[in-house]
Amino acid sequence: DVKVTQSSRYLVKRTGEKVFLECVQDMDHENMFWYRQDPGLGLRLIYFSYDVKMKEKGDIPEGYSVSREKKERFSLILESASTNQTSMYLCASSLWTILRDANEKLFFGSGTQLSVL
Amino acid sequence: SQKIEQNSEALNIQEGKTATLTCNYTNYSPAYLQWYRQDPGRGPVFLLLIRENEKEKRKERLKVTFDTTLKQSLFHITASQPADSATYLCALENSGYALNFGKGTSLLVTP
Repeated sequence: DVKVTQSSRYLVKRTGEKVFLECVQDMDHENMFWYRQDPGLGLRLIYFSYDVKMKEKGDIPEGYSVSREKKERFSLILESASTNQTSMYLCASSLWTILRDANEKLFFGSGTQLSVL
Repeated sequence: SQKIEQNSEALNIQEGKTATLTCNYTNYSPAYLQWYRQDPGRGPVFLLLIRENEKEKRKERLKVTFDTTLKQSLFHITASQPADSATYLCALENSGYALNFGKGTSLLVTP
């Protein structure tokens, strides 16, 4: 089975800190994604990457950046954490690009619950 | 704008009954629709994918229908069990690069 591992289950940070969320997948997947999930808002796409060193903005990229130096690892960076970034962060991967003619599904990690105080 | 709507109210049913969850969408022309299950504190897990030319798909006690005219998918769990209690999310492909998710419907199956 595909395993997507997020480095921390729970994280508490202070406002203004630089925060790194790490995600690793072990099945040589091309695509990786970062979502955040908030009550009443559902899952929202922050960034995704379809190849090493490639990144694309999702629906809510403001305040975030990403890094994909190796195929298996996709990092989400909060340059200066703010309280409105308190959320559950979910990393996901898929084998190929999510195309109309493909049947790609996402494999998710267990999530990182980030609290910014 | 594109919308994926799922019942926000939790669905409570008795064990052994059939649970039916609804997913409606607007301003999408999806080639397929996916359903995921999410347990508290965990990431979503893929359950089923149904393509636009498939009216119905089954997997064990799960059944999904897809009506592109009504822009709706129904997700059924037959002979429901307390272990089926979770949040169920539907998802659609967004412009060929990622999946957009509905907010999910919480299902509680009581003994």
